[in-house]
Amino acid sequence: DTEVTQTPKHLVMGMTNKKSLKCEQHMGHRAMYWYKQKAKKPPELMFVYSYEKLSINESVPSRFSPECPNSSLLNLHLHALQPEDSALYLCASSPGRTGNTIYFGEGSWLTVV
Amino acid sequence: GIQVEQSPPDLILQEGANSTLRCNFSDSVNNLQWFHQNPWGQLINLFYIPSGTKQNGRLSATTVATERYSLLYISSSQTTDSGVYFCAVINSGGYQKVTFGTGTKLQVIP
Repeated sequence: DTEVTQTPKHLVMGMTNKKSLKCEQHMGHRAMYWYKQKAKKPPELMFVYSYEKLSINESVPSRFSPECPNSSLLNLHLHALQPEDSALYLCASSPGRTGNTIYFGEGSWLTVV
Repeated sequence: GIQVEQSPPDLILQEGANSTLRCNFSDSVNNLQWFHQNPWGQLINLFYIPSGTKQNGRLSATTVATERYSLLYISSSQTTDSGVYFCAVINSGGYQKVTFGTGTKLQVIP
């Protein structure tokens, strides 16, 4: 099983709402990632969790708050977002050692109105 | 940080034609993968290829790590090959930090 599952697939939220994106993997991977992708652009790294600890934060605004409750789950909490935050949010996982394949979920399409 | 450039940025092929996509990177890498992003946004793993050559059906890839480039070959293209192709790298000093290339948008027409 090489599956990374993301929910919801689509989310529309207002600028004052609080919502969360969820990601789950059962491959025993110890590194999990959040990426943001705008139209016609490559994915951009937001956060990396390694062994359930935040190891990389690419200077992401605090209105995005990641959480790794356990080694299988990764959340992205959203609060007070702006319309320009509308994008495809991709979760990924890898075994956690340099040199291993990274697997992506299908993504969550976020629209901020 | 490491720079990853892909060429060409756009490519239109007649069904059945062959093509070569290129990925150049500016520093040594531990990991290089090729992905196909379908119109629904999903990134599908094609190859994990930090060095050497691999083949999978009509697709093959070659990475020459010492010269800092990788090539993706698509033979006998089909309309289902349409989408965006990305290479992604982890450089040797950047544990777990994956950087995507600029992408090649491929359209295969019947």
